Amino acid sequence: AQSVTQPDIHITVSEGASLELRCNYSYGATPYLFWYVQSPGQGLQLLLKYFSGDTLVQGIKGFEAEFKRSQSSFNLRKPSVHWSDAAEYFCAVGARGNTPLVFGKGTRLSVIA
Amino acid sequence: DADVTQTPRNRITKTGKRIMLECSQTKGHDRMYWYRQDPGLGLRLIYYSFDVKDINKGEISDGYSVSRQAQAKFSLSLESAIPNQTALYFCATSDPGPLDVRANVLTFGAGSRLTVL
Repeated sequence: AQSVTQPDIHITVSEGASLELRCNYSYGATPYLFWYVQSPGQGLQLLLKYFSGDTLVQGIKGFEAEFKRSQSSFNLRKPSVHWSDAAEYFCAVGARGNTPLVFGKGTRLSVIA
Repeated sequence: DADVTQTPRNRITKTGKRIMLECSQTKGHDRMYWYRQDPGLGLRLIYYSFDVKDINKGEISDGYSVSRQAQAKFSLSLESAIPNQTALYFCATSDPGPLDVRANVLTFGAGSRLTVL
């Protein structure tokens, strides 16, 4: 079975600074990888996904993530954070076959002026 | 209207009461899921259904039951609510698609916040 670890519970960054949120997964084959964002009081919105091919994937809102098989990682990055990016971010891993997504515990991002 | 609609959005109830959370979708997706979100624990899968005749337990199904009334409707019930079932509950859908790819892309409802006193 697959599993996901998000090592950082809470991160605070200054507006305009760069951001990297960490995600490590465990799965025996090539996984499907996702980042979702949950704004306060909202449901989850898909930011980006990796299925195959180019290991650097672009998402919405200026986010990108890089799949590194050797490190079992799928870290989320943004070059310049905006105050509206304050939210909770969830990494998730999926697998081929009829297996539902498994989510990490989330990283809460705070943005300060 | 939202693609995935959850009702009620907020509910406060007492220990021992029966509660039903409802989910309906207009995506035409076969697959539906119920997740529970607790602070610091992320999202955990309660039940999922791949079609009307298919129901599967997830990671934390104890104390919960579900009903898939139609392709578009998937309800979660708490037969006798207890305080540690206080949480934010999410319904989600996905479309099987070729090579499982689309099956892994979830569309979420806005959530149902349940408080059990």
